[in-house]
Amino acid sequence: EPEVTQTPSHQVTQMGQEVILRCVPISNHLYFYWYRQILGQKVEFLVSFYNNEISEKSEIFDDQFSVERPDGSNFTLKIRSTKLEDSAMYFCASSRQFLAGGTGELFFGEGSRLTVL
Amino acid sequence: DAKTTQPNSMESNEEEPVHLPCNHSTISGTDYIHWYRQLPSQGPEYVIHGLTSNVNNRMASLAIAEDRKSSTLILHRATLRDAAVYYCILIMNRDDKIIFGKGTRLHILP
Repeated sequence: EPEVTQTPSHQVTQMGQEVILRCVPISNHLYFYWYRQILGQKVEFLVSFYNNEISEKSEIFDDQFSVERPDGSNFTLKIRSTKLEDSAMYFCASSRQFLAGGTGELFFGEGSRLTVL
Repeated sequence: DAKTTQPNSMESNEEEPVHLPCNHSTISGTDYIHWYRQLPSQGPEYVIHGLTSNVNNRMASLAIAEDRKSSTLILHRATLRDAAVYYCILIMNRDDKIIFGKGTRLHILP
């Protein structure tokens, strides 16, 4: 069964360092997402991406964050200068259909745990 | 924005049916009802969705009230592996994202 894969599974970094989290969405999917989940809290939407541009972003997704689909298969989330509060599990998700039609479903990866020291 | 209300937690015995309720009294006619779940230490996964009619798939059944103001996710025979947080989510016709609430934490007792 096709799946969304994410790397690394766990990354430890120093505050102020740049981090890139990588995702390989399911191959025929067109809509891509990043979510995060701080330990013990709910899953939060960060950004959606379609047709090589950001469709929507949340308040969390400030200038320190960026996304890219560099080569048609990978989808990356970059945090330019990490802060302690960026420590969380980051989930990538993809969908074949536009969710607003109501019938699409998101497929999530297993997540990348980011620990900022 | 249409919102959902779910109990914080529920408990059920293994191999018994589980009925997870969700209230969405402000639902509009074009909003779809989706359910996702998150197993421990995993990403969320899609369970089922519906609009007006009851729906069945290999994982669960979704019973939607006639007025659509509530729905119930039914796990017909719970296993320990079904212990998870279950999220009831409305997808509106202008949304292209899922917003997760706190969901219901389901505990399965052996």
